[in-house]
Amino acid sequence: GAGVSQSPSNKVTEKGKDVELRCDPISGHTALYWYRQRLGQGLEFLIYFQGNSAPDKSGLPSDRFSAERTGESVSTLTIQRTQQEDSAVYLCASSLYWGQPQHFGDGTRLSIL
Amino acid sequence: AQTVTQSQPEMSVQEAETVTLSCTYDTSESDYYLFWYKQPPSRQMILVIRQEAYKQQNATENRFSVNFQKAAKSFSLKISDSQLGDAAMYFCAYRSADDYKLSFGAGTTVTVRA
Repeated sequence: GAGVSQSPSNKVTEKGKDVELRCDPISGHTALYWYRQRLGQGLEFLIYFQGNSAPDKSGLPSDRFSAERTGESVSTLTIQRTQQEDSAVYLCASSLYWGQPQHFGDGTRLSIL
Repeated sequence: AQTVTQSQPEMSVQEAETVTLSCTYDTSESDYYLFWYKQPPSRQMILVIRQEAYKQQNATENRFSVNFQKAAKSFSLKISDSQLGDAAMYFCAYRSADDYKLSFGAGTTVTVRA
């Protein structure tokens, strides 16, 4: 597809379970970003990947959160031992390289019971 | 850290009328970018308009225009001739010229009355 693709669209899981969220960036985009959007709030930066450089993980809220990206392809965001406060929409964006406009996916709505 | 403030949680506008959304930001930098994003119920963030801080001229994209007041650190969005499809949540965002992170405001929900 032409845009950023995220899966699943919605995820409901029990507290304490691990979840994995996936992001397929636009082909050729070297930069990839993850954001979290809590209900009624703006987006919070989580992590940034640029090519094969070390990622900027400064926005990850705890060590239960991790993310990976292989080269300039798919990225996965993993949340271990989920808590109710992790409930949010997780948005992925990609850009041709840093500083260029960020194109967003539709997000994954994560609900922790 | 930069702070972006949107003081209007909700705005309502009659179809074909004009609505203005306010945004203020706090920064010590002189070179940066400001954005307005639209988020419809589909959740996808759509870039509406972008402004470079070094440009004095206000950006315009069809029915969308901004009033950028650098000294006041204000960046308002005007939607003219409002259409039903404009109904969405609108976010103001800031990015330093030498950074990649976007800092977002809390958003303003715009409803359009037919």
